[in-house]
Amino acid sequence: LAKTTQPISMDSYEGQEVNITCSHNNIATNDYITWYQQFPSQGPRFIIQGYKTKVTNEVASLFIPADRKSSTLSLPRVSLSDTAVYYCPTLRDTGKLIFGQGTTLQVKP
Amino acid sequence: EPEVTQTPSHQVTQMGQEVILRCVPISNHLYFYWYRQILGQKVEFLVSFYNNEISEKSEIFDDQFSVERPDGSNFTLKIRSTKLEDSAMYFCASGNTRAYEQYFGPGTRLTVT
Repeated sequence: LAKTTQPISMDSYEGQEVNITCSHNNIATNDYITWYQQFPSQGPRFIIQGYKTKVTNEVASLFIPADRKSSTLSLPRVSLSDTAVYYCPTLRDTGKLIFGQGTTLQVKP
Repeated sequence: EPEVTQTPSHQVTQMGQEVILRCVPISNHLYFYWYRQILGQKVEFLVSFYNNEISEKSEIFDDQFSVERPDGSNFTLKIRSTKLEDSAMYFCASGNTRAYEQYFGPGTRLTVT
């Protein structure tokens, strides 16, 4: 079973770049790597997805090395509103998302 | 921006009772999912649904659970005889393709007493 491992928590300050790394043990060839954000009492919200190398959108960048055993989510210039739990679920080709425990990011003023 | 909606936001029920959780996915989406999150724990996949049938289900999704898309807009999760351990936040999600972004609803908090 594709299992993800990530730090339980991270602290940062407003305006800093934050990088959160996830280990993707046993990732399958057809799996995608995705990142979601979750605020308290809300459903997860999609941030970014990739398969290999680097992907960038308007809110984040995702770096995936050639062996795909890890991924790094990069959030440029975080603000207080980026305080949330960040997940790196594996997306199977069946559409199933496999979540890990998530990283609680605390952004301080 | 279109969004997934879920009702009720909070449901309290007694052990052994049947509950139906309702979801309205985004209108042009074809893939539908239910996940749950026990308080303080990770989000867990329950079931995926496409073309009016279950595509995949987890070990959690036993005979007490069922899903239905009774009309063109609603997607429901039924738990026939609730147990204390079914207490959790239940999230509905939908997607336009199977291999990309899933849009999650705000969740229904189910409390079984």
